[in-house]
Amino acid sequence: EVQLLESGGGLVQPGGSLRLSCAASGLTFYNHAMNWVRQAPGKGLEWVSGITGNGETTYYADSVKGRFTISRDNPKNTLYLQMNSLRDEDTALYYCAAISGGSGSATFHYYGVDIWGQGTTVTVSS
Amino acid sequence: QSVLTQPPSASGTPGQTVTISCSGTSTNIGDNYVFWYQQFPGTAPKLLIYRNSQRPSGVPDRFSGSKSGTSASLAISGLRSEDEADFYCAAWDDSLRIVLFGGGTKLTVL
Repeated sequence: EVQLLESGGGLVQPGGSLRLSCAASGLTFYNHAMNWVRQAPGKGLEWVSGITGNGETTYYADSVKGRFTISRDNPKNTLYLQMNSLRDEDTALYYCAAISGGSGSATFHYYGVDIWGQGTTVTVSS
Repeated sequence: QSVLTQPPSASGTPGQTVTISCSGTSTNIGDNYVFWYQQFPGTAPKLLIYRNSQRPSGVPDRFSGSKSGTSASLAISGLRSEDEADFYCAAWDDSLRIVLFGGGTKLTVL
């Protein structure tokens, strides 16, 4: 069974840092481009960041650029999101999500996100 | 504010056909595929439509997608109470180099 299991969420003060992890199982991890998508309480989906299968190309939403860093460890089948300088507006449920259609940059154009974790909650508050 | 514009709500009665629109620009919908997601409260989103009009395995053919120019639509025919959910469109944006989601549409089955 394919599974994405997020961890690392929690309560953090504004300006603080957190590192989210996503452990993947049941799939050939390096064959999948990966994403982080978040959803603030009562709000819609917001794509945060994406990374190609080999980890060489990364993409970021303007709202997190320069503060968040996406990375992956393919031998460990794990995706990460390092979040620094956290703000109140970063409070959300963070989903780890995979694209099955491929692992390269074009994947984000041609394939939808079809594998989702259950999410980990990040709360930024003083 | 989302760059892809969806109506915040839509509704219909059982058996009806409901259409949800998604409006973008030449750098996203106009030049890239559109995807649709369905999300029930408290659960992760599910891919409903990919490449404008393709259904993943297991998605009923009551759900159909289309695209014309810089707009896309999701049609749900034979509406059922269990279709009540939030629906999101998404597309890659060539200028921003990110995936954009629409603001979401809450579907109510009356």
